[in-house]
Amino acid sequence: GNSVTQMEGPVTLSEEAFLTINCTYTATGYPSLFWYVQYPGEGLQLLLKATKADDKGSNKGFEATYRKETTSFHLEKGSVQVSDSAVYFCALLNTGGFKTIFGAGTRLFVKA
Amino acid sequence: GAGVSQSPSNKVTEKGKDVELRCDPISGHTALYWYRQSLGQGLEFLIYFQGNSAPDKSGLPSDRFSAERTGGSVSTLTIQRTQQEDSAVYLCASSPDTYEQYFGPGTRLTVT
Repeated sequence: GNSVTQMEGPVTLSEEAFLTINCTYTATGYPSLFWYVQYPGEGLQLLLKATKADDKGSNKGFEATYRKETTSFHLEKGSVQVSDSAVYFCALLNTGGFKTIFGAGTRLFVKA
Repeated sequence: GAGVSQSPSNKVTEKGKDVELRCDPISGHTALYWYRQSLGQGLEFLIYFQGNSAPDKSGLPSDRFSAERTGGSVSTLTIQRTQQEDSAVYLCASSPDTYEQYFGPGTRLTVT
């Protein structure tokens, strides 16, 4: 079946540090991959997406590259800010499907 | 424009009582989802509505849970005879195409 595994949190970083949150997936087809972010007290919102192998999604300084050979979609940011403190969810949607599969979420704390 | 709204934002109820949670999706979005997010867990899919089609109820954890969507718009999730294990944040999302989902802020349910 389809599944998403992401690194456990919390991840605590100092401001301007480099961020990586690992995400790997298992899928029977050729899924689209997503990162959603949930800021404190808010609903999830789409951060970035990639629809096919080698695509790079990017938004707000965050990037993730769809790696079919390693079935991974790791989230990176070169210099985090306090305002990036949130929970990050990796997710997949299989081609022709409707059910997005979410990972367990990784909480990020950024200290000033 | 207006996003997805949910009410109430918080609900405390006694074990054994029934509760109704409401979701107002973004106007024109044909797809609507309900999820449950327990502490430290990912999103658990509950139910999916698409237009006038029969809903996919495959994620409902027991027959105490039901949902309806009236007129292809507002949706209500009902939990009968609540149990303490039902305590969680219930999230609603809508989508124009099942691809990108737009989430509401959630309803935090506490069963005492």
